[in-house]
Amino acid sequence: RKEVEQDPGPFNVPEGATVAFNCTYSNSASQSFFWYRQDCRKEPKLLMSVYSSGNEDGRFTAQLNRASQYISLLIRDSKLSDSATYLCVAQQGGSYIPTFGRGTSLIVHP
Amino acid sequence: AAGVIQSPRHLIKEKRETATLKCYPIPRHDTVYWYQQGPGQDPQFLISFYEKMQSDKGSIPDRFSAQQFSDYHSELNMSSLELGDSALYFCASSLGWQAGTEAFFGQGTRLTVV
Repeated sequence: RKEVEQDPGPFNVPEGATVAFNCTYSNSASQSFFWYRQDCRKEPKLLMSVYSSGNEDGRFTAQLNRASQYISLLIRDSKLSDSATYLCVAQQGGSYIPTFGRGTSLIVHP
Repeated sequence: AAGVIQSPRHLIKEKRETATLKCYPIPRHDTVYWYQQGPGQDPQFLISFYEKMQSDKGSIPDRFSAQQFSDYHSELNMSSLELGDSALYFCASSLGWQAGTEAFFGQGTRLTVV
């Protein structure tokens, strides 16, 4: 079982829609969490860190539920340019290595 | 702002050859991570360095080795290349080795073994 699990999708949504991705992690010692965005054949780019109290950055909202060991990303008012793969990352306790999920593919269509 | 620089961007090698990938972290970053990403796969952690010392090791084959130099750049050396080594190799850097540290990725080296 992978340490970080994501629904691979694809999520196919119209412009303006709200879409949510979930991610679960198996290592309860994981300390820090992030969402990265990856466009085809490009490098992962940090989208946002995920804080315990939840945090928002414009149209993006991240939530952390330590009791259930999952992280979520909510995208409001989807844009065509949001089409990408969204990677959930857990930083393992002790080693601090960023461990990636397989990614969730988002396709925003006109 | 300066980002993580990787070279070369593309590399074609034959089976059993060797390859060296280079990574120049963001200035002042002291931690470097190497990842391998196959087609349709998530990035798999290979190895990391903090302050020029190996800090952790993942699924790096014995045929591969890496080091971090005094100027904090890192090199991944790959020998006896196999077809299955064809992948995108990313380097990431961060400031510090602690919880909550954000890692920033270079554009990657696309290695093709033929």
